[in-house]
Amino acid sequence: NAGVMQNPRHLVRRRGQEARLRCSPMKGHSHVYWYRQLPEEGLKFMVYLQKENIIDESGMPKERFSAEFPKEGPSILRIQQVVRGDSAAYFCASSPFNHASANVLTFGAGSRLTVL
Amino acid sequence: QQQVKQSPQSLIVQKGGISIINCAYENTAFDYFPWYQQFPGKGPALLIAIRPDVSEKKEGRFTISFNKSAKQFSLHIMDSQPGDSATYFCAASKAAGNKLTFGGGTRVLVKP
Repeated sequence: NAGVMQNPRHLVRRRGQEARLRCSPMKGHSHVYWYRQLPEEGLKFMVYLQKENIIDESGMPKERFSAEFPKEGPSILRIQQVVRGDSAAYFCASSPFNHASANVLTFGAGSRLTVL
Repeated sequence: QQQVKQSPQSLIVQKGGISIINCAYENTAFDYFPWYQQFPGKGPALLIAIRPDVSEKKEGRFTISFNKSAKQFSLHIMDSQPGDSATYFCAASKAAGNKLTFGGGTRVLVKP
């Protein structure tokens, strides 16, 4: 079991470019969560998805940010027209689809975005 | 509105000592309280978790104490070791399958 896989681990973009971060959940997990961690801060919830469905996007900025979890392939967090304030570590987590363990989140190693 | 408040922000403890981290929450609908450990450059890893039907849970050198009436919970690291040096996050969530709300984190340094 390879765990939650995120790529790229490090991404550098110039202001105005697009950033795409990918997350493959653990085998058997059908829920995916994205969190953002600014330097020296805690993790802030962004979005919660199941396959082909956004369950909760209350933490997503209203503009430039979008997320998807297609039927096939990884979940993708997309940031359009990046600005320096988007520089952060973006963590993906997954959980299984059963009542007893659904909120036991397993995190990936994160994708660190630097905007120049 | 910060729903989970964590203190202290940083902590220095001697090897063999006890590290204590406290968290307070506001939402009485929270029913799952995990602690995560994060090393530099890594993702958070689940350390130990508790549900409100018990007041204490112990796993090895790590203990969670939970006070439902005060809406507080804490992590105790007994016999702290240099390898415990990391950032610790408390979190809370309501209902299975819902998102975790994290505290601001505590950076623990265990001096040899």
